[in-house]
Amino acid sequence: DTAVSQTPKYLVTQMGNDKSIKCEQNLGHDTMYWYKQDSKKFLKIMFSYNNKELIINETVPNRFSPKSPDKAHLNLHINSLELGDSAVYFCASSWTKGQGYNSPLHFGNGTRLTVT
Amino acid sequence: KNEVEQSPQNLTAQEGEFITINCSYSVGISALHWLQQHPGGGIVSLFMLSSGKKKHGRLIATINIQEKHSSLHITASHPRDSAVYICAVRPDFDSNYQLIWGAGTKLIIKP
Repeated sequence: DTAVSQTPKYLVTQMGNDKSIKCEQNLGHDTMYWYKQDSKKFLKIMFSYNNKELIINETVPNRFSPKSPDKAHLNLHINSLELGDSAVYFCASSWTKGQGYNSPLHFGNGTRLTVT
Repeated sequence: KNEVEQSPQNLTAQEGEFITINCSYSVGISALHWLQQHPGGGIVSLFMLSSGKKKHGRLIATINIQEKHSSLHITASHPRDSAVYICAVRPDFDSNYQLIWGAGTKLIIKP
C-alpha cells in the first residue's frame, strides 16, 4: 500500500480555473505538508498541518487554501490559477511530536501542475 | 547565501566509483536529512541524523556537528543511483518543524 498518495499525478488546466490536489497518508503520522518545487528544483514549504491544525503558512498567495478534514488527509485547493503556479507540488507527512520530534519525511509522488 | 549549501551541484562518475556529496550549513540544527529524488520525480528519505554516522546498504551518511558539515557517500556506484540528492536541516531554533533545504546535487552514474 502506498504510504503517501496524492492525486492527480498530472494536472493541465487553463488560467483562471480552480483546481484541487488531494493527499492521503496511511502511516498514522500527525503532521502533513505541502511543498512546491519550482523550475530550479528548490523545495519550498507552503503549509503544514499538525493534527488538523495549521502550524506553517508560508507566504503564498491566498488563492492557495489547504484543507485538512482529518489528520490523514491534507488537500490543496487553488483558485484562479496563474501561469506562475506551474510547478510540481509534493505532499509529505511525518511525526513531529510524541513519536519522535525528528522523524523522516515521507513524500507523495508529486503532482505536476501545468497552467496554460 | 543559502543557509544550506551542497557541493558539487552536478557530478558525473563511472559505475563503480566511490561518490561523496557534501552539505554545509550555517545554523544550529536538531537534525539533518538526506533525500533522493529520482528522474521520475519521487522523493525518498534516505537518512535522518543528528550525530555520527548511519549506513544503509551502499549508502553512508556522516555528520560533524561542530563543523556544521555532513557527507553522503555511495560505494560501488551504479547507474540506478543516478538521481538528485538533497540535504535539508531542521534548525534547533524552529518550533514549527520547518526544514531548510539545499539546492540538491545531480548525480549521473555512467555504465
